[in-house]
Amino acid sequence: GAVVSQHPSRVICKSGTSVKIECRSLDFQATTMFWYRQFPKQSLMLMATSNEGSKATYEQGVEKDKFLINHASLTLSTLTVTSAHPEDSSFYICSAWTSNVVGVRETQYFGPGTRLLVL
Amino acid sequence: DAKTTQPPSMDCAEGRAANLPCNHSTISGNEYVYWYRQIHSQGPQYIIHGLKNNETNEMASLIITEDRKSSTLILPHATLRDTAVYYCIVSSPGNMLTFGGGTRLMVKP
Repeated sequence: GAVVSQHPSRVICKSGTSVKIECRSLDFQATTMFWYRQFPKQSLMLMATSNEGSKATYEQGVEKDKFLINHASLTLSTLTVTSAHPEDSSFYICSAWTSNVVGVRETQYFGPGTRLLVL
Repeated sequence: DAKTTQPPSMDCAEGRAANLPCNHSTISGNEYVYWYRQIHSQGPQYIIHGLKNNETNEMASLIITEDRKSSTLILPHATLRDTAVYYCIVSSPGNMLTFGGGTRLMVKP
């Protein structure tokens, strides 16, 4: 299947600092990528939809000024957690749809996730 | 997106078939059934998807009822490495995927 990578795989930072997480589609282009968050023993929750060349759309309750998303190219989306606090500690996962030759969306693949710990 | 209902947990003996059910009675005509699994501390792994016909790949088989209101994921010969949370999701291609609680499958020796 298609490959989606994330970097870093885990990060520890101090409260108040900002952390950038990268999501790349390695063997396909993605005009749209999704960012999810997963707390321990819970399911994945969609945070935002990242759109190449335009603004991201955020789910209700997700602060757009705190979780900055940039989708600068067809293979890269970044999520920056600004002024991180301990409650932002979570597992962040991105995903993207592959498309066939005529642009029909086929399968959504997920990255391996980034574990963020804010001290 | 339509909602799905899955049993919270299931056990399966190693080497036996694991049959994971999913109810999606409100699925609409253009929505597919997708199955993913998540092994601890990893991102979800795509397994299989289908619209109305049964599907099979190297990982699993997907059986969708004729009325499309339910489906079953079949792992033909479960191994210990198949222990994971399995998610059944219905969605139109290109849309976000809404994750429910999934089924925690425990494969036992």
